[in-house]
Order: sequence, then C-alpha cells, then structure tokens
Amino acid sequence: EAGVVQSPRYKIIEKKQPVAFWCNPISGHNTLYWYRQNLGQGPELLIRYENEEAVDDSQLPKDRFSAERLKGVDSTLKIQPAELGDSAVYLCASSLQGSSYNEQFFGPGTRLTVL
Amino acid sequence: SQQGEEDPQALSIQEGENATMNCSYKTSINNLQWYRQNSGRGLVHLILIRSNEREKHSGRLRVTLDTSKKSSSLLITASRAADTASYFCATDGEISSGYALNFGKGTSLLVTP
Repeated sequence: EAGVVQSPRYKIIEKKQPVAFWCNPISGHNTLYWYRQNLGQGPELLIRYENEEAVDDSQLPKDRFSAERLKGVDSTLKIQPAELGDSAVYLCASSLQGSSYNEQFFGPGTRLTVL
Repeated sequence: SQQGEEDPQALSIQEGENATMNCSYKTSINNLQWYRQNSGRGLVHLILIRSNEREKHSGRLRVTLDTSKKSSSLLITASRAADTASYFCATDGEISSGYALNFGKGTSLLVTP
C-alpha cells in the first residue's frame, strides 16, 4: 500500500515568489493534515481537513497561505508571496478519521528554502 | 503551540545500550504518541499509549505514562545504529481541534557502532 505522497521534495525560491505543495493521502483516509516543521522543532499544525472541508485552519496564516482539498482526496498548500521565515519542512499527514486514537501517517515532507 | 517537551534534547549512546527519553506535557490528554523521524524523512508512528494505561510495550520499545506528573518516557532497549533518529512525543489536542497532534521539540538520538 502506498503511503502519503508529497511533491516536490525540495523547493528553493526567492522571497516574494509563490510556491505550492501537493499531497496525496493514503487511499480511504478522510482526514488530512498539513504541518510545518521548523529546524530543530516538532511539527505544528497548519490546517486539518475532514474530507473536503477545512475544519481547523486557526493556525494558518491566511494573509499568505491558502489550501484546498477539492474532491476530498489530494490537497494543495500554497504560499503567496513567500517570506524568508517560511523556510521549513511542510509535512502532510492523513488518518482514517479524526479520532482521538488515530494514528497519523506522514509523508516525507517538502523542504522549502526561501532566499 | 507545542505542548510536549522532550528531555534530553540530544542523546549519544553505543550499540547495545538502552536509550531513555522523557516527555513532559501541560494539559490533560486522551493519549500520547511517540514518533520517530529519520534525517530528511517524514515521521513514523511508533506507539500510542492511552491516558488510562501506565505502560506499553512494542518490540524493543517500552513506553510509560504518568498522568499525575504529566510525563511519559520512551525506552529503547538494545539499541542499534538504525535507531539513530529524532524522537518526538505528541499529545492529542482538544476535540475542538480535531485531535490534531501537539508535538514536542524532539530528542535527537545517535547510536554509534
């Protein structure tokens, strides 16, 4: 069974440029999470989807970040325009459902470097 | 915000030794999970312990949970070089957050041959 797929794995852009990350969760997983992991830190939640609905985006900087999960499967996270402080690893995770006892399966992440 | 804090931040041991990592958290939880992250890779779920459990085993892993002290420990026995990774504890959030995980900063474990 394929795991969570993310692309690209690495992205280097100049500040003020737009960037987009793509995630394909494990088949059948209704819940999808985007996390950001800064160097030396643990991941922090940006947004959570239940099917196609964003049910928790309180930590998403909405002035420059946007996300979508149109058909309740794949998801895209966008930053426009990117700032130096956005350099981080962006992790996508999925779980069968948003349960308290869920196991989240993580993708390999996209390492973003903003110059 | 990060709820858990792992201790130590870094740990270096030799193969065959045991490695113990600790995690403290602040608010009440339903469960606590431990994840491993190899360099440049995503996180891999290791073990989940529920708030009404005190100890759990999985292979060479042993996890304890003390809800009165709001702390957990992860013990890796007979460590191997392949155990070299960062280890994170994660607590579940409130139902209002959809149980999104709150991660600590992690413990970086180095196992030398």
